Amino acid sequence: AQSVTQLDSHVSVSEGTPVLLRCNYSSSYSPSLFWYVQHPNKGLQLLLKYTSAATLVKGINGFEAEFKKSETSFHLTKPSAHMSDAAEYFCVVSRLTGGGNKLTFGTGTQLKVEL
Amino acid sequence: DVKVTQSSRYLVKRTGEKVFLECVQDMDHENMFWYRQDPGLGLRLIYFSYDVKMKEKGDIPEGYSVSREKKERFSLILESASTNQTSMYLCATGRTSETQYFGPGTRLLVL
Repeated sequence: AQSVTQLDSHVSVSEGTPVLLRCNYSSSYSPSLFWYVQHPNKGLQLLLKYTSAATLVKGINGFEAEFKKSETSFHLTKPSAHMSDAAEYFCVVSRLTGGGNKLTFGTGTQLKVEL
Repeated sequence: DVKVTQSSRYLVKRTGEKVFLECVQDMDHENMFWYRQDPGLGLRLIYFSYDVKMKEKGDIPEGYSVSREKKERFSLILESASTNQTSMYLCATGRTSETQYFGPGTRLLVL
């Protein structure tokens, strides 16, 4: 069965420092992986997606993620945090079911950015 | 821009009431989804629909039903609301199941 584990429920960084949000996946076949972001009082938005092309995926707002099969990881990074990055981030895997592909969400990582 | 609207941002209901949550999208997407979001649990799929009048159970369908009479509208129904259904409910839509566009959510409180 396909699943994701977000290793940190909360991450706090200072503005201008790097961001690392960790995600490990479990999948019996080559997965499609995603990061979604939820800003306070707003709907979830797709940040980036990996679908077996390049292992380094660039997303919106300067975020990127690297698919590492040997480590079963798909960590989200950004070189320099901005106050507007404060949000909840979800690592997501696509799983194949009888009714087609479904998304399985991780439990989320709350990112806090301090001055 | 994809627009997904949900009928209410906040809702307060009594135990045992029948509750309707509506979701409308303007992008002619075939797929529509209902999730609930709870702290520490992420999003969990309740039901989804891949076409008008077609529906499939997600991971936690118990206590819920859905209706999709028109392509743009997908309703979630709580037949008899219970306190453990207090949650944030999110509707999503997409041409595929993988890239989904989410509404702002309905925060439901069942007393």
